[in-house]
Amino acid sequence: QVQLQESGPGLVKPSQTLSLTCTVSGGSISSGSYYWSWIRQPAGKGLEWIGRIYTSGSTNYNPSLKSRVTISVDTSKNQFSLKLSSVTAADTAVYYCAREGYYMDVWGKGTTVTVSS
Amino acid sequence: EIVMTQSPATLSVSPGERATLSCRASQSVSSNLAWYQQKPGQAPRLLIYGASTRATGIPARFSGSGSGTEFTLTISSLQSEDFAVYYCQQYNNWPMYSFGQGTKLEIK
Repeated sequence: QVQLQESGPGLVKPSQTLSLTCTVSGGSISSGSYYWSWIRQPAGKGLEWIGRIYTSGSTNYNPSLKSRVTISVDTSKNQFSLKLSSVTAADTAVYYCAREGYYMDVWGKGTTVTVSS
Repeated sequence: EIVMTQSPATLSVSPGERATLSCRASQSVSSNLAWYQQKPGQAPRLLIYGASTRATGIPARFSGSGSGTEFTLTISSLQSEDFAVYYCQQYNNWPMYSFGQGTKLEIK
């Protein structure tokens, strides 16, 4: 079955850009009518949806993060990626990627990103 | 923005008993509501979508109900593996989503 795996630096300096990649295995990112989302969760807190992408390249972002977020897709590599610019300590969280068909039915295990100098 | 409010924040229940978790939307979300279970150190797992449809592989002791603004997740007979945090999520306002703040289900 489809599996997702996040990868990227675990430590990012303040004001820099956080970059993560989600690799999809066990199926094609282009198959089915799915969107591909990023969600984050600060330690001990709830879930925050960041944004999504369709394989056509169309995107939607959380308005609270929209000015700093870019999500892209590389269908040839079966991957999609997240960039979050001008990070601060408030962006420290576990970042999850997920497959979405309105609800998230497949999740990656998550990767912890700490923003610190 | 649709605000999802879950209650209680923490629920203490004994194994074998029934647990009832609530989720309220600030405006109607029809039946476009999902429930997730999250255990420590793990990603959330989809339990229920469409307010009442169990996801693949989810045991029958999990059931969801409600529509509009009031929703309930019921676990009929708690097993040890059910103690976790549960989140509701509305997708009626697509492309925007919102999650509840979570209910922690703990062993009494």
